[in-house]
Amino acid sequence: DTGVSQNPRHKITKRGQNVTFRCDPISEHNRLYWYRQTLGQGPEFLTYFQNEAQLEKSRLLSDRFSAERPKGSFSTLEIQRTEQGDSAMYLCASKGTSGGETQYFGPGTRLLVL
Amino acid sequence: GDSVTQMEGPVTLSEEAFLTINCTYTATGYPSLFWYVQYPGEGLQLLLKATKADDKGSNKGFEATYRKETTSFHLEKGSVQVSDSAVYFCARANSGGYQKVTFGTGTKLQVIP
Repeated sequence: DTGVSQNPRHKITKRGQNVTFRCDPISEHNRLYWYRQTLGQGPEFLTYFQNEAQLEKSRLLSDRFSAERPKGSFSTLEIQRTEQGDSAMYLCASKGTSGGETQYFGPGTRLLVL
Repeated sequence: GDSVTQMEGPVTLSEEAFLTINCTYTATGYPSLFWYVQYPGEGLQLLLKATKADDKGSNKGFEATYRKETTSFHLEKGSVQVSDSAVYFCARANSGGYQKVTFGTGTKLQVIP
């Protein structure tokens, strides 16, 4: 399968713990996006990478959140000192330089903070 | 800022009924417009898109026309099936810049036999 993959698919953690999610984009895609989706809402943009460079961050991305894409391939999203309000679905999407403006989404990582 | 407004759900229809889900967008720049679908327990899938005014996107019997004069991109299907039950998201992305996608809040569709 050559789609976007995310791991883990589900994560349950206690408040105050750190968690890390991974996204593997479609292999030839140089643009990678992270979104957060809370229950009953549409996804909201968090951050954007072009190759290894993080070019935009949303105000939603507090200091407890950090994202990396060290080699311009996979990306990680880390949340430190998790809070119950961080419970959400975290979605990753990728896009190439061709193919118009279509972003292809992964299945998401569902986080539950107890 | 950029935003998308779509009709609230849930929408409940009988099989073979006609579907319309309304969507309007902010007209900043020259956005591309999308409909994504999320089936229960699955991720977002692109359903259709349109990149300029008067374009019609279509897929799986669904259609939507990019209306610049009314800043709308309403989703329609002539005859829905039970398998169409899902949450539908209208979205926009600027053609330049970082092209992040701005989504509506989603409309849940339930089709009953």
